[in-house]
Amino acid sequence: KQEVTQIPAALSVPEGENLVLNCSFTDSAIYNLQWFRQDPGKGLTSLLLIQSSQREQTSGRLNASLDKSSGRSTLYIAASQPGDSATYLCAASGAGSYQLTFGKGTKLSVIP
Amino acid sequence: KAGVTQTPRYLIKTRGQQVTLSCSPISGHRSVSWYQQTPGQGLQFLFEYFSETQRNKGNFPGRFSGRQFSNSRSEMNVSTLELGDSALYLCASSLGLATYEQYFGPGTRLTVT
Repeated sequence: KQEVTQIPAALSVPEGENLVLNCSFTDSAIYNLQWFRQDPGKGLTSLLLIQSSQREQTSGRLNASLDKSSGRSTLYIAASQPGDSATYLCAASGAGSYQLTFGKGTKLSVIP
Repeated sequence: KAGVTQTPRYLIKTRGQQVTLSCSPISGHRSVSWYQQTPGQGLQFLFEYFSETQRNKGNFPGRFSGRQFSNSRSEMNVSTLELGDSALYLCASSLGLATYEQYFGPGTRLTVT
């Protein structure tokens, strides 16, 4: 059974700092690793999806990497802004399934 | 292109009642999945539908059920509501191609009193 862990549970950084969010998973036979952002009381916004054959994906100030052998993914946020404050969730899916297994998330606060 | 829509957005029910939540996927998407989000358990998978067939079900009691229609719209039903069913219910749709990328709706906030 896949288990996904995100550490730390909360992170506070000053504006402008570069930061890394961590995600680990127990079953390396994943198909995709997807990163989401969730604002309070809202749904999930997809940020990046990394397929198992890929090592990283980039979108603007965001870069996500995937290392299946070590069971880890990281989300790098460059030059953080107060608008980046949200909970960031990573989720893994297995082959042939749309079922996502989520971590508990990292709540990010970017202080102006 | 419109995103995933969920109705209603907020719902208050009493213990013992039943509730039906609706999800309309992005146009052209054939897969719909449902998740329950609570502060204690986080996001937990309920079920997954593809072309009207339930392909996968999470570890929830039989009071939780769902279906998908020919136009890919989906409904989930919870019967005999319990206080612990209070949660944000999220629906996600996917095109059904190899990437399996999921797009989520805004959710339905269910409060059981």
